[in-house]
Amino acid sequence: DVVLTQTPVSLSVTLGDQASISCRSSQSLEYSDGYTYLEWYLQKPGQSPQLLIYEVSNRFSGVPDRFIGSGSGTDFTLKISRVEPEDLGVYYCFQATHDPLTFGSGTKLEIK
Amino acid sequence: VQLVESGGGLVQPGKSLKLSCSASGFTFSSYGMHWIRQAPGKGLDWVAYISSSSGTVYADAVKGRFTISRDNAKNTLYLQLNSLKSEDTAIYYCARRVPWGWFAYWGQGTLVTVSS
Repeated sequence: DVVLTQTPVSLSVTLGDQASISCRSSQSLEYSDGYTYLEWYLQKPGQSPQLLIYEVSNRFSGVPDRFIGSGSGTDFTLKISRVEPEDLGVYYCFQATHDPLTFGSGTKLEIK
Repeated sequence: VQLVESGGGLVQPGKSLKLSCSASGFTFSSYGMHWIRQAPGKGLDWVAYISSSSGTVYADAVKGRFTISRDNAKNTLYLQLNSLKSEDTAIYYCARRVPWGWFAYWGQGTLVTVSS
């Protein structure tokens, strides 16, 4: 199975600063069709997860351009520039390239 | 689109439970469906998938113990949980992806507690 290793486990950031989360896969996430099915979700307290990024770097509709996904192969990064109070929660990477599908272990973003 | 889970509860280790997810607002038979769980205070854990043609995939942690199924006439997704362990304690969500896309719809979840 594909293991997604997220670092750091938690992140405490000052409002207005940048946050960076890493997601490293145990296998390449490039599918045979050439696409890489790596997504990023944010789960706010008491809510279901919400999509931020799909296919590594595509922002979902309505997601601010402060959220930037990048990477390829086995190494992926989510950068949040100018962190705002509504960004707090737990961030998960998720891969849909290989069965069984898997989530990363999560990164908790706290505001200082 | 609405997904509503039910069937959770307190169950003893080694026992069984069957979860349901009632779907509405879309043509249920045309979509693959997923079960995802989240242990209290822990991360998301993908559990199982069933395609529109009833092909299935399971996470290793539940393979051989859980069975995902669907009844298209009732617009309902199921998860049969057998040989339950304490580590299966979690909120169980059903979810639907957009084709070749992402998880777009989630239910509110149903809590399964495995304890003696």
